[in-house]
Amino acid sequence: ETGVTQTPRHLVMGMTNKKSLKCEQHLGHNAMYWYKQSAKKPLELMFVYNFKEQTENNSVPSRFSPECPNSSHLFLHLHTLQPEDSALYLCASSQVPSGRLGTDTQYFGPGTRLTVL
Amino acid sequence: AQSVAQPEDQVNVAEGNPLTVKCTYSVSGNPYLFWYVQYPNRGLQFLLKYITGDNLVKGSYGFEAEFNKSQTSFHLKKPSALVSDSALYFCAVRDTRYNKLIFGAGTRLAVHP
Repeated sequence: ETGVTQTPRHLVMGMTNKKSLKCEQHLGHNAMYWYKQSAKKPLELMFVYNFKEQTENNSVPSRFSPECPNSSHLFLHLHTLQPEDSALYLCASSQVPSGRLGTDTQYFGPGTRLTVL
Repeated sequence: AQSVAQPEDQVNVAEGNPLTVKCTYSVSGNPYLFWYVQYPNRGLQFLLKYITGDNLVKGSYGFEAEFNKSQTSFHLKKPSALVSDSALYFCAVRDTRYNKLIFGAGTRLAVHP
């Protein structure tokens, strides 16, 4: 619907597993984002990529590892997660204009519902 | 520091009545303000934004928001609520130093038939 797709939509993993979340945007945008949405907490920005370069890491634990191979794809690699990492992980993209930082609109994917057992 | 407050956890409205979802903000510099809606098991959908210009911003699905600089508010409004408007609404402000959106805690809107 928004031009941002995420797979899988649901994921259940054990604490020792390694898995990856995938995000793809079909909007031609130059920036991509990972957010975490936990119950009863505001959305938390995790990572920002502008032109494939990571420009923001919001003190995210190293068990979360992002990868942005090109401007259309964004991955979040997961390993040795904790039960408190269970949440909805949202990907977003935007077209950041030169000279007017902050005016762009972020468009979100449907999210991956992650459950860590 | 930039911040956003949504003082109401839930708003209840009868179908056909006007609705208001409140948002106040705190920023240094020009405020860039956004409203998003989230339906169950879905991502966030963009409704509208204020960057500059007219204080009354019109958005998707008949929603509008009024920017009030003196009250540092950006309340979301709709003249006539629909049951299908029932969802979680998020206000957000842009932190331009770090190019990130700062979200409020969200307000759950319940429209009753």
